[in-house]
Amino acid sequence: NAGVTQTPKFQVLKTGQSMTLQCAQDMNHEYMSWYRQDPGMGLRLIHYSVGAGITDQGEVPNGYNVSRSTTEDFPLRLLSAAPSQTSVYFCASSFRQGANAEAFFGQGTRLTVV
Amino acid sequence: AQSVTQLDSHVSVSEGTPVLLRCNYSSSYSPSLFWYVQHPNKGLQLLLKYTSAATLVKGINGFEAEFKKSETSFHLTKPSAHMSDAAEYFCVVSSVDRGSTLGRLYFGRGTQLTVWP
Repeated sequence: NAGVTQTPKFQVLKTGQSMTLQCAQDMNHEYMSWYRQDPGMGLRLIHYSVGAGITDQGEVPNGYNVSRSTTEDFPLRLLSAAPSQTSVYFCASSFRQGANAEAFFGQGTRLTVV
Repeated sequence: AQSVTQLDSHVSVSEGTPVLLRCNYSSSYSPSLFWYVQHPNKGLQLLLKYTSAATLVKGINGFEAEFKKSETSFHLTKPSAHMSDAAEYFCVVSSVDRGSTLGRLYFGRGTQLTVWP
């Protein structure tokens, strides 16, 4: 039972570099989302998707892009990394978009931008 | 609009004593509320959820929470702490607004629980 899989687990980038954080789920969930976790801030929503081909912005979308070409995958792209993007990133999925829907989280990607 | 306030950033208890993690919420409508736990260097795991059924909700590992609409609270409790309960706990409200924000999760800032032997 893989659930939500994120890769890589750790990454160090130089300022200005770009990269893609991968997220895949095998539960056939429609709803997927990306969060960043910073100390004392809880988790903040970056982008989300309610199905293949449909994405929208969350609270803190600047500097990030997403796409959803398949139900399973929801990659997060950092266009030009900045030190302010140093954070732990979590991908989550749920069966549907709904107030009662339980979110399943990946193990996280710890990103450091130097 | 929805928001969540976790009243304590850190809670320390001795093993075998009760745990109380406090959470207040703000929501335009009857909310859906969750508690998630995050162990060090791990993802988040659902402890329990309230979805307008019974106001006392039982979760995994002996945790429970009571929804009190009059106090806009959803405090998490456990009668007897165990060393393995040491983790960060997040109170979460889910948006019930119609449209694209339906189901969006709003996180509290977290409460770090320390359990002393």
